[in-house]
Amino acid sequence: GDSVTQMEGPVTLSEEAFLTINCTYTATGYPSLFWYVQYPGEGLQLLLKATKADDKGSNKGFEATYRKETTSFHLEKGSVQVSDSAVYFCALSVGGSEKLVFGKGMKLTVNP
Amino acid sequence: DAGVIQSPRHEVTEMGQEVTLRCKPISGHNSLFWYRQTMMRGLELLIYFNNNVPIDDSGMPEDRFSAKMPNASFSTLKIQPSEPRDSAVYFCASSLRGFLQPQHFGDGTRLSIL
Repeated sequence: GDSVTQMEGPVTLSEEAFLTINCTYTATGYPSLFWYVQYPGEGLQLLLKATKADDKGSNKGFEATYRKETTSFHLEKGSVQVSDSAVYFCALSVGGSEKLVFGKGMKLTVNP
Repeated sequence: DAGVIQSPRHEVTEMGQEVTLRCKPISGHNSLFWYRQTMMRGLELLIYFNNNVPIDDSGMPEDRFSAKMPNASFSTLKIQPSEPRDSAVYFCASSLRGFLQPQHFGDGTRLSIL
Protein backbone atom coordinates (compact mmCIF):
# COMPACT_ATOMS: atom_id res chain seq x y z
CA GLY A 1 0.00 0.00 0.00
CA ASP A 2 0.90 3.66 0.08
CA SER A 3 2.99 4.86 3.01
CA VAL A 4 5.24 7.65 4.24
CA THR A 5 8.24 7.26 6.53
CA GLN A 6 9.66 10.20 8.42
CA MET A 7 12.76 10.48 10.55
CA GLU A 8 12.20 9.93 14.24
CA GLY A 9 12.00 12.89 16.57
CA PRO A 10 11.78 14.92 18.61
CA VAL A 11 14.52 17.27 17.47
CA THR A 12 15.81 20.32 19.32
CA LEU A 13 17.84 22.99 17.50
CA SER A 14 19.23 26.37 18.32
CA GLU A 15 17.97 29.42 16.48
CA GLU A 16 19.64 29.96 13.07
CA ALA A 17 20.61 26.28 12.79
CA PHE A 18 20.11 24.35 9.55
CA LEU A 19 17.15 21.98 9.45
CA THR A 20 16.62 18.79 7.48
CA ILE A 21 13.67 16.47 8.05
CA ASN A 22 13.87 13.28 6.04
CA CYS A 23 10.83 11.82 4.30
CA THR A 24 10.63 8.78 2.04
CA TYR A 25 7.58 7.20 0.50
CA THR A 26 6.19 4.11 -1.19
CA ALA A 27 3.30 4.51 -3.57
CA THR A 28 1.25 2.30 -5.85
CA GLY A 29 1.01 5.06 -8.43
CA TYR A 30 2.56 8.44 -9.17
CA PRO A 31 2.14 10.45 -5.96
CA SER A 32 1.84 14.12 -5.21
CA LEU A 33 3.83 15.07 -2.12
CA PHE A 34 3.08 17.52 0.68
CA TRP A 35 4.49 18.92 3.88
CA TYR A 36 2.02 20.02 6.55
CA VAL A 37 2.87 21.80 9.80
CA GLN A 38 1.00 21.70 13.12
CA TYR A 39 1.67 24.52 15.58
CA PRO A 40 0.93 23.87 19.26
CA GLY A 41 -2.77 23.57 19.98
CA GLU A 42 -3.78 23.99 16.34
CA GLY A 43 -4.77 21.89 13.37
CA LEU A 44 -2.46 21.14 10.48
CA GLN A 45 -1.84 23.58 7.67
CA LEU A 46 -0.23 23.07 4.29
CA LEU A 47 3.38 24.24 4.15
CA LEU A 48 4.37 23.25 0.60
CA LYS A 49 3.72 20.70 -2.13
CA ALA A 50 5.17 19.17 -5.29
CA THR A 51 3.37 17.21 -7.97
CA LYS A 52 6.06 15.70 -10.19
CA ALA A 53 9.67 14.60 -10.19
CA ASP A 54 12.26 17.36 -9.67
CA ASP A 55 9.61 19.88 -8.64
CA LYS A 56 10.67 22.06 -5.72
CA GLY A 57 8.06 23.30 -3.29
CA SER A 58 8.89 26.31 -1.14
CA ASN A 59 7.22 28.50 1.46
CA LYS A 60 8.30 30.57 4.48
CA GLY A 61 11.96 29.73 3.86
CA PHE A 62 11.28 25.98 3.75
CA GLU A 63 12.07 23.92 0.65
CA ALA A 64 11.58 20.32 -0.46
CA THR A 65 12.46 18.68 -3.79
CA TYR A 66 10.55 15.71 -5.23
CA ARG A 67 13.18 13.04 -5.88
CA LYS A 68 11.65 10.13 -7.74
CA GLU A 69 14.89 8.15 -8.00
CA THR A 70 15.25 8.04 -4.22
CA THR A 71 11.50 8.24 -3.45
CA SER A 72 12.19 11.13 -1.10
CA PHE A 73 10.86 14.59 -0.27
CA HIS A 74 13.16 15.95 2.44
CA LEU A 75 12.27 19.27 4.08
CA GLU A 76 15.02 21.86 4.58
CA LYS A 77 15.42 25.32 6.01
CA GLY A 78 18.66 27.21 6.14
CA SER A 79 18.09 29.12 9.38
CA VAL A 80 15.33 28.12 11.78
CA GLN A 81 13.54 30.49 14.14
CA VAL A 82 11.83 29.94 17.47
CA SER A 83 8.51 30.39 15.67
CA ASP A 84 9.26 27.28 13.57
CA SER A 85 8.72 25.09 16.63
CA ALA A 86 5.97 22.71 15.55
CA VAL A 87 5.23 19.19 14.36
CA TYR A 88 6.00 18.56 10.69
CA PHE A 89 4.14 15.94 8.65
CA CYS A 90 5.07 14.56 5.26
CA ALA A 91 2.13 13.27 3.21
CA LEU A 92 1.20 11.91 -0.20
CA SER A 93 -1.81 11.40 -2.39
CA VAL A 94 -2.00 9.02 -5.33
CA GLY A 95 -3.96 8.90 -8.54
CA GLY A 96 -5.70 12.21 -8.18
CA SER A 97 -7.35 11.13 -4.95
CA GLU A 98 -8.03 13.67 -2.24
CA LYS A 99 -7.10 11.03 0.33
CA LEU A 100 -3.86 11.98 2.10
CA VAL A 101 -1.53 9.42 3.70
CA PHE A 102 0.53 11.02 6.45
CA GLY A 103 3.80 10.13 8.09
CA LYS A 104 3.95 9.95 11.88
CA GLY A 105 5.15 13.53 12.19
CA MET A 106 8.30 14.99 13.71
CA LYS A 107 8.32 17.46 16.56
CA LEU A 108 10.80 20.30 16.23
CA THR A 109 11.73 22.63 19.08
CA VAL A 110 13.87 25.66 18.37
CA ASN A 111 15.54 27.34 21.33
CA PRO A 112 16.66 30.98 21.34
CA ASP B 1 -12.46 34.41 7.21
CA ALA B 2 -13.67 31.84 9.69
CA GLY B 3 -11.75 28.61 9.57
CA VAL B 4 -13.01 25.10 10.20
CA ILE B 5 -14.87 25.09 13.48
CA GLN B 6 -15.00 21.97 15.63
CA SER B 7 -16.91 21.38 18.83
CA PRO B 8 -16.41 20.53 21.55
CA ARG B 9 -12.67 21.24 22.00
CA HIS B 10 -12.45 18.73 24.81
CA GLU B 11 -14.71 15.83 25.75
CA VAL B 12 -14.35 13.50 28.69
CA THR B 13 -16.88 10.73 29.07
CA GLU B 14 -17.28 7.27 30.43
CA MET B 15 -16.98 4.07 28.47
CA GLY B 16 -20.21 3.03 26.84
CA GLN B 17 -21.55 6.54 26.36
CA GLU B 18 -22.41 8.00 22.99
CA VAL B 19 -20.05 10.71 21.74
CA THR B 20 -20.89 13.22 19.01
CA LEU B 21 -18.24 15.44 17.47
CA ARG B 22 -19.27 18.35 15.30
CA CYS B 23 -17.68 20.21 12.44
CA LYS B 24 -18.51 23.31 10.44
CA PRO B 25 -16.39 23.50 7.27
CA ILE B 26 -15.22 26.66 5.57
CA SER B 27 -18.00 28.17 3.52
CA GLY B 28 -17.70 27.22 -0.14
CA HIS B 29 -15.58 24.16 0.48
CA ASN B 30 -17.08 20.99 -0.94
CA SER B 31 -14.78 18.32 0.49
CA LEU B 32 -14.76 17.39 4.16
CA PHE B 33 -12.43 14.99 5.99
CA TRP B 34 -12.41 13.39 9.44
CA TYR B 35 -9.04 12.32 10.90
CA ARG B 36 -7.95 10.68 14.13
CA GLN B 37 -4.56 11.39 15.70
CA THR B 38 -2.91 9.12 18.29
CA MET B 39 0.66 8.69 19.46
CA MET B 40 0.73 5.08 18.33
CA ARG B 41 -0.84 5.36 14.90
CA GLY B 42 -0.24 8.99 13.97
CA LEU B 43 -2.79 10.77 11.80
CA GLU B 44 -5.32 8.54 10.07
CA LEU B 45 -8.09 9.45 7.64
CA LEU B 46 -11.39 8.02 8.84
CA ILE B 47 -13.80 9.19 6.14
CA TYR B 48 -14.22 11.93 3.58
CA PHE B 49 -17.15 13.52 1.76
CA ASN B 50 -17.52 15.31 -1.57
CA ASN B 51 -20.61 17.51 -1.87
CA ASN B 52 -22.05 15.90 1.28
CA VAL B 53 -21.69 12.36 -0.12
CA PRO B 54 -19.34 9.88 1.60
CA ILE B 55 -16.61 8.87 -0.85
CA ASP B 56 -14.22 6.74 1.17
CA ASP B 57 -15.00 5.37 4.63
CA SER B 58 -12.37 2.63 4.58
CA GLY B 59 -10.63 4.20 7.57
CA MET B 60 -13.64 3.99 9.87
CA PRO B 61 -12.44 1.50 12.48
CA GLU B 62 -15.67 -0.38 13.11
CA ASP B 63 -19.44 -0.15 13.21
CA ARG B 64 -19.35 1.85 16.41
CA PHE B 65 -18.22 4.83 14.31
CA SER B 66 -20.55 6.71 11.98
CA ALA B 67 -20.32 10.03 10.16
CA LYS B 68 -22.94 12.15 8.49
CA MET B 69 -23.01 15.32 6.47
CA PRO B 70 -26.64 16.44 6.22
CA ASN B 71 -25.75 19.70 4.46
CA ALA B 72 -22.77 21.63 3.15
CA SER B 73 -22.16 23.45 6.41
CA PHE B 74 -22.29 20.71 9.00
CA SER B 75 -20.93 17.25 9.71
CA THR B 76 -20.93 14.91 12.70
CA LEU B 77 -18.80 11.98 13.78
CA LYS B 78 -20.51 9.71 16.24
CA ILE B 79 -19.11 6.92 18.41
CA GLN B 80 -21.60 4.58 20.05
CA PRO B 81 -20.74 2.91 22.34
CA SER B 82 -17.43 4.57 23.15
CA GLU B 83 -14.39 2.63 24.43
CA PRO B 84 -11.15 3.78 26.10
CA ARG B 85 -9.17 2.95 22.93
CA ASP B 86 -11.17 5.62 21.10
CA SER B 87 -9.33 8.27 23.12
CA ALA B 88 -7.54 10.52 20.61
CA VAL B 89 -7.60 13.93 18.99
CA TYR B 90 -10.15 14.06 16.18
CA PHE B 91 -9.66 16.58 13.41
CA CYS B 92 -12.04 17.80 10.79
CA ALA B 93 -10.67 19.38 7.62
CA SER B 94 -12.24 20.93 4.56
CA SER B 95 -11.06 21.93 1.12
CA LEU B 96 -12.17 22.89 -2.33
CA ARG B 97 -12.55 19.76 -4.41
CA GLY B 98 -9.33 18.50 -6.02
CA PHE B 99 -6.31 16.55 -4.83
CA LEU B 100 -3.97 19.54 -4.98
CA GLN B 101 -6.23 21.77 -2.92
CA PRO B 102 -4.89 22.38 0.59
CA GLN B 103 -6.88 20.84 3.38
CA HIS B 104 -7.76 23.33 6.12
CA PHE B 105 -7.87 21.74 9.54
CA GLY B 106 -9.87 22.68 12.60
CA ASP B 107 -8.21 22.85 15.99
CA GLY B 108 -9.41 19.36 16.87
CA THR B 109 -11.45 17.70 19.59
CA ARG B 110 -9.47 16.00 22.33
CA LEU B 111 -11.55 12.98 23.37
CA SER B 112 -10.90 11.00 26.55
CA ILE B 113 -12.92 7.88 27.27
CA LEU B 114 -12.58 6.72 30.88
